Amino acid sequence: EVQLVQSGAEVKKPGESLRISCKGSGYSFTSYWITWVRQMPGKGLDWMGTIDPSDSYIKFSPSFQGHVTISADKSISTAYLQWSSLKASDTAMYYCASHYSSAWPFDYWGQGTLVTVSS
Amino acid sequence: EIVLTQSPGTLSLSPGERATLSCRASQSISSTYLAWYQQRPGQAPRLLIYGASRRATGIPDRISGSGSGTDFTLTISRLEPEDFAVYYCQQYGSSPLTFGQGTKLDIK
Repeated sequence: EVQLVQSGAEVKKPGESLRISCKGSGYSFTSYWITWVRQMPGKGLDWMGTIDPSDSYIKFSPSFQGHVTISADKSISTAYLQWSSLKASDTAMYYCASHYSSAWPFDYWGQGTLVTVSS
Repeated sequence: EIVLTQSPGTLSLSPGERATLSCRASQSISSTYLAWYQQRPGQAPRLLIYGASRRATGIPDRISGSGSGTDFTLTISRLEPEDFAVYYCQQYGSSPLTFGQGTKLDIK
């Protein structure tokens, strides 16, 4: 059974750094791409970026490039989303999702990680 | 960037009724690259339809998708209580990948 398990909720202050994770199991981690999706409170879904864990090739949404870092460690089947300096506007639920290729729908989803940034 | 506009914003129906949700694209999309997702409160989205009309694994046949070009439709033939949720369309053929703003299906 394919599973994506995300790290737990985080409460941070503006300016702090953060890395959240998404661990895949039940499949070959390097055979599926991983995407990160943001959902701000009460809002819709925003594609942030996608990584191919086999070679760490990344496609970013222009809206998020330069604001976050996406990476993957295939040795532990885990993808990451990272901020160097959080803002209050980063408060959102973040989902990871896996899919067969870069031009494929998002078959499997993690449970989400709630990030709250508040002074 | 391809903008997806969903209508209506909210659809109020009763169990057993038929729901028709619309997704219109700002430019033509290959039907290969159009998907629909369901999101229930407090849950992650779930893939329902891909390739405009192909049901994902485990999706009942009362849920169907259709359309081509710039106009796509998600139809739920007989609403069950678990169908009341928010639905998003998505295009995944052109970067940046984009979602519609969602249609909320609620109980009348």
